[in-house]
Amino acid sequence: DQQVKQNSPSLSVQEGRISILNCDYTNSMFDYFLWYKKYPAEGPTFLISISSIKDKNEDGRFTVFLNKSAKHLSLHIVPSQPGDSAVYFCAAKRQGGSEKLVFGKGTKLTVNP
Amino acid sequence: NAGVTQTPKFRVLKTGQSMTLLCAQDMNHEYMYWYRQDPGMGLRLIHYSVGEGTTAKGEVPDGYNVSRLKKQNFLLGLESAAPSQTSVYFCASSWGGLMNTEAFFGQGTRLTVV
Repeated sequence: DQQVKQNSPSLSVQEGRISILNCDYTNSMFDYFLWYKKYPAEGPTFLISISSIKDKNEDGRFTVFLNKSAKHLSLHIVPSQPGDSAVYFCAAKRQGGSEKLVFGKGTKLTVNP
Repeated sequence: NAGVTQTPKFRVLKTGQSMTLLCAQDMNHEYMYWYRQDPGMGLRLIHYSVGEGTTAKGEVPDGYNVSRLKKQNFLLGLESAAPSQTSVYFCASSWGGLMNTEAFFGQGTRLTVV
């Protein structure tokens, strides 16, 4: 049973436009959500996170939105740049438990010049 | 600051051989994890540790063993490698506890079992 779902395996956008990556989760106990970016042949790197007590967190060009009632979060990248081309993983965890991060399958973003 | 270092970066094994993957972190993190990444499967947790001397099973633990004898090191062992264990393995570490912080990942180990 997949607890974190990224239903779009790939996304292609033009440079300068907005990229929106989506993530759904099924476990209502999750209370902390993270996005990781991964380039080929490298380890995932942390991008941005959001606690369940918030509905939005912004860091430069990156904004994460959380809709708890829908169990849905999204990552917005504005404006998109070619260097943003990577695989983006959504992850979730339950505080106070084992601190295990549960990952989605990832979305490959391609930003075209 | 090295962060999380994995050794080796690449390895080819024959079916039935054994090997140990080493993960070292220099951030004094309590929690350490081993994940595997397979095409179309995302990152799946194999084993994890919430402190020195402790280990626990993750989502896909079969065929693997781990040890955390020292806080900074987390070893992943394959006693009898199988082709199904061909994958990219990532180690990660985090503060854990009540702090909501991210996990830091190593560069990965690409393992091929033939």
